[in-house]
Amino acid sequence: EDQVTQSPEALRLQEGESSSLNCSYTVSGLRGLFWYRQDPGKGPEFLFTLYSAGEEKEKERLKATLTKKESFLHITAPKPEDSATYLCAVQATTGGYQKVTFGTGTKLQVIP
Amino acid sequence: DGGITQSPKYLFRKEGQNVTLSCEQNLNHDAMYWYRQDPGQGLRLIYYSQIVNDFQKGDIAEGYSVSREKKESFPLTVTSAQKNPTAFYLCASSTQLGRETQYFGPGTRLLVL
Repeated sequence: EDQVTQSPEALRLQEGESSSLNCSYTVSGLRGLFWYRQDPGKGPEFLFTLYSAGEEKEKERLKATLTKKESFLHITAPKPEDSATYLCAVQATTGGYQKVTFGTGTKLQVIP
Repeated sequence: DGGITQSPKYLFRKEGQNVTLSCEQNLNHDAMYWYRQDPGQGLRLIYYSQIVNDFQKGDIAEGYSVSREKKESFPLTVTSAQKNPTAFYLCASSTQLGRETQYFGPGTRLLVL
């Protein structure tokens, strides 16, 4: 069974204090790994898609990387507006269907 | 602006009542999805549709039904058979099933009276 585990569950950072969020996965036939940002009471907002090990993508203070077993979302010099829950999801071939499995998220709080 | 709209934002269901959640997209996407989000759990797939007039059950389809009569619309009905319907419901779409990214709507919160 495909599994996606995100850690830590919650992370509290001081403004400017860089850190990383982890997404480890166990799937067969990875087709893509996705990162989303979700604010309370809203739908997930797409951030990145990574397709193969070694791939990296950046957007403002965020950088996503991918290995064969995990992905990291690096946050450089975070600001309070970066506070949100960050979701990781993997898409894999399961029984002929391209299934997407989501992790439970990391809740990030950035304190001024 | 292209995007996905969901309505209503909040929905209240009485015992034994069926309720329908609306999802509309103007992204010209072929594939559409319904997920349920509960606290402390990852998003769980209810139903998905690759093309008009075709849809498949996801992991937790019991107590739910859908239709796909138009490419832009994918309404979800929560039936009285769903005994624990209180959750945040998210609709998503992608260009097609496969490696493509799914984009989400703003969600509907369903509460039971």
